[in-house]
Amino acid sequence: SQQGEEDPQALSIQEGENATMNCSYKTSINNLQWYRQNSGRGLVHLILIRSNEREKHSGRLRVTLDTSKKSSSLLITASRAADTASYFCATLRNSGNTPLVFGKGPRLSVIA
Amino acid sequence: GAGVSQSPRYKVAKRGQDVALRCDPISGHVSLFWYQQALGQGPEFLTYFQNEAQLDKSGLPSDRFFAERPEGSVSTLKIQRTQQEDSAVYLCASSQDRDRLLNSYGYTFGSGTRLTVV
Repeated sequence: SQQGEEDPQALSIQEGENATMNCSYKTSINNLQWYRQNSGRGLVHLILIRSNEREKHSGRLRVTLDTSKKSSSLLITASRAADTASYFCATLRNSGNTPLVFGKGPRLSVIA
Repeated sequence: GAGVSQSPRYKVAKRGQDVALRCDPISGHVSLFWYQQALGQGPEFLTYFQNEAQLDKSGLPSDRFFAERPEGSVSTLKIQRTQQEDSAVYLCASSQDRDRLLNSYGYTFGSGTRLTVV
């Protein structure tokens, strides 16, 4: 079953604008990761945030994690046309052997 | 190799046919994962190997699905008597982490095999 639920379902912005995508999950986690997927391709790992972290940056990416609300957000600043893709959050639980559980993923379109 | 390689890239199978999908993980990566992705959806976990040991196969949808990694490197996902609902992209990923909770770099995914059952 899919644990993470993202919103919005689809987002269309102009190049140079910022894009924010949100993700919610249901269980206790060890870490949360964001991935990008271009059409017809595999997923590319963007950033990982652990349950004891609240915010992390990587280049134009900023991810936050609120474990009390079981939610995360991914901010892409100064978007580019090349950022057009589907974005997925995935969570790793603390217990059991189950690997990453993915959500559905919003589609971001950046218009030049 | 430099990345995770999957073959074939596309596969069309007639209903009832058996198929085998191959995954070559990054050399030295201990963990290997199979996911199924339906159109417009996120990947759904199928099964997970650590070296040659299959640690979790709870996501395999039926006994028609079988995965192996006999020498701890290349893995094959086999689907017997394919059905139309098996049509999806099958993604393979690998990770260098032996302890899944120490995963620090995420998973490296292949480009997937798009299976269409007609």
